[in-house]
Amino acid sequence: DADVTQTPRNRITKTGKRIMLECSQTKGHDRMYWYRQDPGLGLRLIYYSFDVKDINKGEISDGYSVSRQAQAKFSLSLESAIPNQTALYFCATSESPYSRGTEQPQHFGDGTRLSIL
Amino acid sequence: KQEVTQIPAALSVPEGENLVLNCSFTDSAIYNLQWFRQDPGKGLTSLLLIQSSQREQTSGRLNASLDKSSGRSTLYIAASQPGDSATYLCAALLRTGNNRKLIWGLGTSLAVNP
Repeated sequence: DADVTQTPRNRITKTGKRIMLECSQTKGHDRMYWYRQDPGLGLRLIYYSFDVKDINKGEISDGYSVSRQAQAKFSLSLESAIPNQTALYFCATSESPYSRGTEQPQHFGDGTRLSIL
Repeated sequence: KQEVTQIPAALSVPEGENLVLNCSFTDSAIYNLQWFRQDPGKGLTSLLLIQSSQREQTSGRLNASLDKSSGRSTLYIAASQPGDSATYLCAALLRTGNNRKLIWGLGTSLAVNP
């Protein structure tokens, strides 16, 4: 089983619909992230969470919201989807740097391909 | 503006060649640099992470180096194989004021031909 699981893997929906993307992890990491990837723009950070009670906006949080339901679960919502939110969305996790004294690598799920018509 | 640039954007080589992928970053206040691999339809897999205090890291046929003074990192792949075909991304963790920000390159798409 994958350490970082994203559901759904693919989703096609219409403008104005509310969508939730879910991410769960079995790695026991405190830190979780949501990114979107667009051709020519690379990976951009939407939101991140360093623990269950900590939620932070990334560089492109407008139009998105998140919920950290538990250490292992971090969901991303599009309240009213619009076509320019069509992208590949990734969830990632990382261990806190405090346990080892240095920043640790991020571990990614396989992504959700979201198309908004 | 902090940026990470990867050159070339695409590379095609015959099997068995040794090759170098380049990553440059605009800020010397770097905490670490990571190299990832992305396969089509898949997420990113962390390959190597070099802390700012380190000069290089090795894993199997992969060797990554970091030169903070010149703002460059290279990923060296020895004896390339068709299974190495993927997109390789680098990401630099840079200081931004009192915070840290992970800046991503756009990747190098590698094709290793049998």
